[in-house]
Amino acid sequence: DIQMTQSPSSLSASVGDRVTITCRASQRINNYLNWYQQKPGKAPKLLIYAASTLQSGVPSRFSGSGSGTDFTLTINSLQPEDFATYYCQHIYITSYSFGQGTKLEIK
Amino acid sequence: QVQLQESGPGLVKPSETLSLTCTVSGDSIRTYYWNWIRQPPGKGLEWIGYIYYSGNTNYNPSLKSRVTISVDTSKNQFSLKLSSVTAADTAVYYCARCVGGDCYFGFDYWGQGTLVTVSS
Repeated sequence: DIQMTQSPSSLSASVGDRVTITCRASQRINNYLNWYQQKPGKAPKLLIYAASTLQSGVPSRFSGSGSGTDFTLTINSLQPEDFATYYCQHIYITSYSFGQGTKLEIK
Repeated sequence: QVQLQESGPGLVKPSETLSLTCTVSGDSIRTYYWNWIRQPPGKGLEWIGYIYYSGNTNYNPSLKSRVTISVDTSKNQFSLKLSSVTAADTAVYYCARCVGGDCYFGFDYWGQGTLVTVSS
């Protein structure tokens, strides 16, 4: 099975900050990597697929990069609505496992 | 607008079978792949499996021995059965659509989720 490890597990930031979340796969997964945002009591929302392609309707302050085993999600100019938990997910083989999540909190 | 809605019992006894249905509206189930994902309270996400309208399925190896996903194209629904449940199966269960072969374009539409508690 492929393990996905996110860092940090939690992060405090202020409105207007730029933040980066890292996701590492236990083996190479090419660019088979998605990012999701989840708010309390809600279903996850797809932000980025194929490591770097922005899902339709997602603000351009979100961006993704990486290939192989190391990936990043960057949020430029944080907005109040961005405080949430973020998950990466590989879709390289059918375990389609998620990272443990990164909780982004207001400083 | 594509909408997914989970339905089924919110309480299941240990050792019994959990059964949920997802009803799809705004899209034909004869396209894309249809998934089940779960999230234990306060924890992360776990993909359970998917089905294509043809009946082709793929399951998480860690759950494969207990999972069955089926589709009813006449009702635009797909269903999950998870057998021999324990307290560890207590979770919010989501249904979701994924796009492209191997879900390459991500899980783009999700249901609101339904909490299933395993308890006697």
